[in-house]
Amino acid sequence: QQPVQSPQAVILREGEDAVINCSSSKALYSVHWYRQKHGEAPVFLMILLKGGEQKGHEKISASFNEKKQQSSLYLTASQLSYSGTYFCGTEGQGAQKLVFGQGTRLTINP
Amino acid sequence: NAGVTQTPKFRVLKTGQSMTLLCAQDMNHEYMYWYRQDPGMGLRLIHYSVGEGTTAKGEVPDGYNVSRLKKQNFLLGLESAAPSQTSVYFCASNTLRGVRDIQYFGAGTRLSVL
Repeated sequence: QQPVQSPQAVILREGEDAVINCSSSKALYSVHWYRQKHGEAPVFLMILLKGGEQKGHEKISASFNEKKQQSSLYLTASQLSYSGTYFCGTEGQGAQKLVFGQGTRLTINP
Repeated sequence: NAGVTQTPKFRVLKTGQSMTLLCAQDMNHEYMYWYRQDPGMGLRLIHYSVGEGTTAKGEVPDGYNVSRLKKQNFLLGLESAAPSQTSVYFCASNTLRGVRDIQYFGAGTRLSVL
């Protein structure tokens, strides 16, 4: 089942902060975050594993609440280059694949 | 190092025609995936493979077939294209750690079915 992302879209001024949420109705073993710019392929940002292990981008942080089956991506002091659509991908029990959310479009204005 | 390469980049088909999309990776990855992306729908998994000679169905497999005869290649076939298959198709791969590792995406194939 597809995870739900919120908000669907957000517009910020450069330097402002943003939080993107990803919520699932099923138990999660890992959550992945990707960013996609218009006309390009998705690019890896972060993996959060059950138990606390993380792998990812230096300037972007994220949290994973296993009990609530939720993850949040935190973008602080946003830069113009952060613009794009952000996707979370979730791994369920026994899965060998990810299920992606519908995406959150982030627009950063000067 | 090319990473994940998809061919072709663009294609226009007529309803009922067939075609094969090729995904090639040079990273010795075990896992490979085919996704389709439609506006507002995110990435939906069509089929995937956890190793040479293996394939499995994803969320939206109907109308597609796949083959993984060589470890580095993952082919996606449309036997009889339909307008509903107009989409952007992405291939991805990752390591033996599988789903708990980074997925590397190809540049995509933009397919229009008229």
